[in-house]
Amino acid sequence: GQNIDQPTEMTATEGAIVQINCTYQTSGFNGLFWYQQHAGEAPTFLSYNVLDGLEEKGRFSSFLSRSKGYSYLLLKELQMKDSASYLCAVRARNAGNMLTFGGGTRLMVKP
Amino acid sequence: GAGVSQSPRYKVTKRGQDVALRCDPISGHVSLYWYRQALGQGPEFLTYFNYEAQQDKSGLPNDRFSAERPEGSISTLTIQRTEQRDSAMYRCASSLGTGTGAYEQYFGPGTRLTVT
Repeated sequence: GQNIDQPTEMTATEGAIVQINCTYQTSGFNGLFWYQQHAGEAPTFLSYNVLDGLEEKGRFSSFLSRSKGYSYLLLKELQMKDSASYLCAVRARNAGNMLTFGGGTRLMVKP
Repeated sequence: GAGVSQSPRYKVTKRGQDVALRCDPISGHVSLYWYRQALGQGPEFLTYFNYEAQQDKSGLPNDRFSAERPEGSISTLTIQRTEQRDSAMYRCASSLGTGTGAYEQYFGPGTRLTVT
């Protein structure tokens, strides 16, 4: 089975940097995804990591350490529109593209 | 192009009735997934298809739930003899492929099911 943990809520200030952590346990790791979900909307893809290291995409970066079962999503230059839930999801080997999601971290950006 | 669409967007039904939820994936996407999402939680996997073949149905809660994708495009999730605990947001997603690689999943707007 798989177990994914991430903080329930975080608060940060506009213009600041925030790091959202995700730890996971899985039998046969085959990729980690981050999704953003605004209230009342569908999740949208942010990033994908399968090898150790940092993937940067504009203001968002995602880091993976497979040996530690750990990932983080880094959001820079926070904007009010970044207020949303951030979902960590893991794909297991031999499970096709099926994802197991964490409970999500609700980020509130304050002025 | 058009994204993933789902219908109906909202469904209210009485306990004991059957419901059918429809998903129309992005054209050309091989894989289609069904999830259930409770308020304030991440999506919970139910089942998925590659083309018309159901690859994994381990997440379906019980035998009242079934899904099909007969022509490898549109899919229907059916819940028989609905119960109040079935009330949730049901989301469909599709991806271009499967296996190793990014193959991000594109989610539809969901069907909000309420069983009274």
